[in-house]
Amino acid sequence: GAVVSQHPSWVICKSGTSVKIECRSLDFQATTMFWYRQFPKQSLMLMATSNEGSKATYEQGVEKDKFLINHASLTLSTLTVTSAHPEDSSFYICSASARALGTSEVGQFFGPGTRLTVL
Amino acid sequence: KNEVEQSPQNLTAQEGEFITINCSYSVGISALHWLQQHPGGGIVSLFMLSSGKKKHGRLIATINIQEKHSSLHITASHPRDSAVYICAVKGGSEKLVFGKGTKLTVNP
Repeated sequence: GAVVSQHPSWVICKSGTSVKIECRSLDFQATTMFWYRQFPKQSLMLMATSNEGSKATYEQGVEKDKFLINHASLTLSTLTVTSAHPEDSSFYICSASARALGTSEVGQFFGPGTRLTVL
Repeated sequence: KNEVEQSPQNLTAQEGEFITINCSYSVGISALHWLQQHPGGGIVSLFMLSSGKKKHGRLIATINIQEKHSSLHITASHPRDSAVYICAVKGGSEKLVFGKGTKLTVNP
């Protein structure tokens, strides 16, 4: 249980285009999803927290008009990188909060990530 | 000083060795995660702990809340265990604070 998928797994695009990344919780409903970015040899950096049916909360320094997040349902959140530039090339990872089976603990389960390369 | 410190930063072991990775944190937490990230990038959640000890196969995770310290142990290590192991803690909010990771290389 608690599987999170991302699509696409990798994407190459030209500078100036927009790219949409989907994050789905496959076997559970996630009221909260998180979007992270990871540059080579660095730790994950939280970009935004996404709650179903409400506006995302962005971390300081993350441009909300550039990284559009839509959490339209309890199983789907999307991140759109608008007018992508080479400096946006990175590994984007989503995670979803879920209650661990058989416990009252709420954990985070991570998607496999999407590698974005902007030429 | 980072809120979450991991040691060692890099670790090389021979197949079969017992491995320990440490994580210390400076804030009050509600839970601690151990994550595994393979070279391809995908992250797997290994454990979520709030107290005591958990075991899954050859992996064991322990946490000492009073000492603000957790360890991840791998018994009978194998080259396929080679990955980056990340400690992450959850405080009052749902946000995770991540350590910088420990890169483990297990040689055959």
